[in-house]
Amino acid sequence: KAGVTQTPRYLIKTRGQQVTLSCSPISGHRSVSWYQQTPGQGLQFLFEYFSETQRNKGNFPGRFSGRQFSNSRSEMNVSTLELGDSALYLCASSPGGGMTQETQYFGPGTRLLVL
Amino acid sequence: AQSVSQHNHHVILSEAASLELGCNYSYGGTVNLFWYVQYPGQHLQLLLKYFSGDPLVKGIKGFEAEFIKSKFSFNLRKPSVQWSDTAEYFCASLLRGTYKYIFGTGTRLKVLA
Repeated sequence: KAGVTQTPRYLIKTRGQQVTLSCSPISGHRSVSWYQQTPGQGLQFLFEYFSETQRNKGNFPGRFSGRQFSNSRSEMNVSTLELGDSALYLCASSPGGGMTQETQYFGPGTRLLVL
Repeated sequence: AQSVSQHNHHVILSEAASLELGCNYSYGGTVNLFWYVQYPGQHLQLLLKYFSGDPLVKGIKGFEAEFIKSKFSFNLRKPSVQWSDTAEYFCASLLRGTYKYIFGTGTRLKVLA
């Protein structure tokens, strides 16, 4: 099976702009989660989608939003970018059916630099 | 609130030394526990996981972890590290039914050849 793919891999934006990141999960996986990874902070949970519905979200401002499509692909949007949004954004997928033995598989990430 | 603590932020070892990385989770409910590894320039990979049963879990590349419920701990161990184990290690928990994984801040391991 192909792994989780994320596009683009690298992105440079300026403050105030907006950005959209894309994630394609492993075939058959219906749950997609997004994380922000920064040095010293580890992985901070942004949100999780399953069957086009957001099931959980982390403590990020409303500038961070996401959605999931019927084919389970997901997009994450950040509006009005700030310098502090520079980070590696990771997407992870799992079967998502609520089973007790769920395991997430991660993509390579999109590295966003805000100037 | 659910949280995961990794107390060792940076660890430097010589090859063949033994490794133990600490991980503590805060929630008393039923959790699944994971260790992930991120090698330089690569994406996060699953090392091992605990769901239930035998509290001593064996993973890839000779790693193992022990779930101690009374201590809310899930420490990662390897008896003899190699230079190729240089990486960042993340502990994570999933409170069942929440669909929300909580990660620790990571431990950077450097193994000297």
